[in-house]
Order: sequence, then structure tokens, then C-alpha cells
Amino acid sequence: SSELTQDPAVSVALGQTVRITCQGDSLRTYYAGWYQQKPGQAPVVVIFDNTKRPSGIPDRFSGSSSGDTASLTITGARAEDEADYYCNCRDISGNGNHWVFGGGTKLTVL
Amino acid sequence: QMQLQESGPGLVKPSETLSLTCTVSGGSISRRNNYWGWIRQPPGKGLEWIGSIYYSGSAYYNPSLKSRVSISVDTSKNQFALKLSSVTAADTAVFYCARVETAPDVFDIWGQGTMVTVSS
Repeated sequence: SSELTQDPAVSVALGQTVRITCQGDSLRTYYAGWYQQKPGQAPVVVIFDNTKRPSGIPDRFSGSSSGDTASLTITGARAEDEADYYCNCRDISGNGNHWVFGGGTKLTVL
Repeated sequence: QMQLQESGPGLVKPSETLSLTCTVSGGSISRRNNYWGWIRQPPGKGLEWIGSIYYSGSAYYNPSLKSRVSISVDTSKNQFALKLSSVTAADTAVFYCARVETAPDVFDIWGQGTMVTVSS
């Protein structure tokens, strides 16, 4: 199976902008999703199809993709955005019927 | 509003088979645009896709677990189930079930997760 690579940890000052990236060959073919997970809770999707935001997700969350890299940007980070963030997409090595998650990025809001 | 709920033993002995069920409420498991998936998360680690199943019974598995995993669906009960055989301590994890929308592609609804510990 293919892999999605994320930086293990990223920090951002309160109110500033942070970008979390996800790299992998499968992203050249398939759309990325981004999931926020807070301690003791199930993941929640914040971005799907590279750029779309589910209803109820604040517009400070945005997504983009270029080549083999997808990005999640938080503009004006708030304390409640401190969480683990995971990207995922279909796995190109599984003919589109498999899925893969990135290793996750721990976001600290300073 | 659709909800998913995992159920099953919280403790499994090494070499035995882990069995979990996910009950779907507030909607049908037989929706054409949905797959149903299992994801696990070892303590302090990241998410790992285990496998997914369509209501027709077509199932797909993570190659790293394929020899030990089986996912089934029971449309009459609106449930799908996971079996993981020959477990070891490395299989200790929180197991989540989730709905996978295929248009667009997204794991949009998750169960709360259930902790399964492998220990004698």
C-alpha cells in the first residue's frame, strides 16, 4: 500500500495562520480529506474533496492540493483548534478500493 | 440523524479472534453511495484503515491485515461486523466504525470508538 506523509508536530501562535501538509503519490489521483481529532474523541472531518468544508466547520479551515501534496490551512488559529490532524485518501495501489491515512500532525496553539 | 455505535468485548486473549459489531441507526445501511469502514488507533498512535464493505457484501481490506481480517454486513439488522483473528498485544487499539461517502469521498460519520485490549 502507498503512504501519506505528515509532519509529526506543528505549532502556531494564537491568531496566526498555519499550514499542515500531507504528501503521497495517491494524492496525484485522489482527493484528500482532513480530520480533526481531539483527545478521547472520534475524528471529525474538516475538509473533504481537497477543498470542501462540511457544514458547521468554521471558514478559517481551508484546503488545497497540488501535485502529490495536499494542505490544510487554518487562518486565525484559535485555542480550540489544538488537536491532531489526519489526512486521508484512496490508496492508488489498491485500485481505488483501499484507503490510507497519514501519520497525523499534532497542532499546538501557543 | 445517522449514528454509528460499536459494540463488543473490551478484552481479548492473545491468539483469539476479536469480534466487533457496528450498529447503524437513523438511516439505512443499504444506501448506494456508502461504504462502511473499520479504522483502528493504537494508544498514542495514528489512524489505520482496516477495511470497508458495501451493503452488497463486497469487502476490501488493508493488505497488511488481509490474512487476519473479515468484514461482513447484515442488512436486516442494519449492522456490519469486524473479525480480526490471531490477535497479539500489537492489536490493542481503539476501534472505530465509520460511514464512507463515495460521492464525495469522505469518512463523514464516525462511531465513538471502542477500546479493545489484547491481554491474557
